[in-house]
Amino acid sequence: QSVLTQPPSVSGAPGQRVTISCTGSSSNIGADYDVHWYQQLPGTAPKLLIYRNTNRPSGVPDRFSGSKSGTSASLAITGLQAEDEADYYCQSYDSSLSGSRVFGGGTKLTVL
Amino acid sequence: QVQLRESGPGLVRPSGTLSLTCAVSGGSISSDNWWSWVRQPPGKGLEWIGEIYHSGSTNYNPSLKSRVTISVDKSKNQFSLKLSSVTAADTAVYYCAKSNGRPTARSFDIWGRGTMVTVSS
Repeated sequence: QSVLTQPPSVSGAPGQRVTISCTGSSSNIGADYDVHWYQQLPGTAPKLLIYRNTNRPSGVPDRFSGSKSGTSASLAITGLQAEDEADYYCQSYDSSLSGSRVFGGGTKLTVL
Repeated sequence: QVQLRESGPGLVRPSGTLSLTCAVSGGSISSDNWWSWVRQPPGKGLEWIGEIYHSGSTNYNPSLKSRVTISVDKSKNQFSLKLSSVTAADTAVYYCAKSNGRPTARSFDIWGRGTMVTVSS
């Protein structure tokens, strides 16, 4: 079981908006530690998608956005495209685990 | 642009030691960055193993700490992972990654392509 909880799967039709949640606790997200999001296309390494809750690295489309509130964070993808089909992971810092970096279990996005 | 490349044996015997190296190119390992190892068992999620700064300062995942050593070789611009007493549960794709910033805000902005390591006799 991962320290951060994500839904195993989400799906949406092209053009639609989907959100992926990431639920933590008072020792990570709830302690106001930053949340980051990664996209992993099949057979490739993860790619940083959102850093420090809401920021997009250069080259990431503005269709991807992040938010955080309380003990949870969310990744939203608007204007869904076929190439968005991938696994998505959230990541944060946990103070109860000797300062460990923790990941969510991952969410498989299927574009219908 | 910094690039990372993992290398090492693809097969390790049970109870043996897994040893991997990550070569850093396009930048100096002595820059203000932290260098991490992350692994992913087949069909499963990501697990952070640990990180090192060029000074030699390290942080490890508590669940692996007793078996992990991460070291840095500034002369070769690379860092390494050793994981001892391996079992089949350590079979995974191992990635090296770069991060920076304050401890509570570090994200992994650059990743290597990963290397598959299988633990089997």
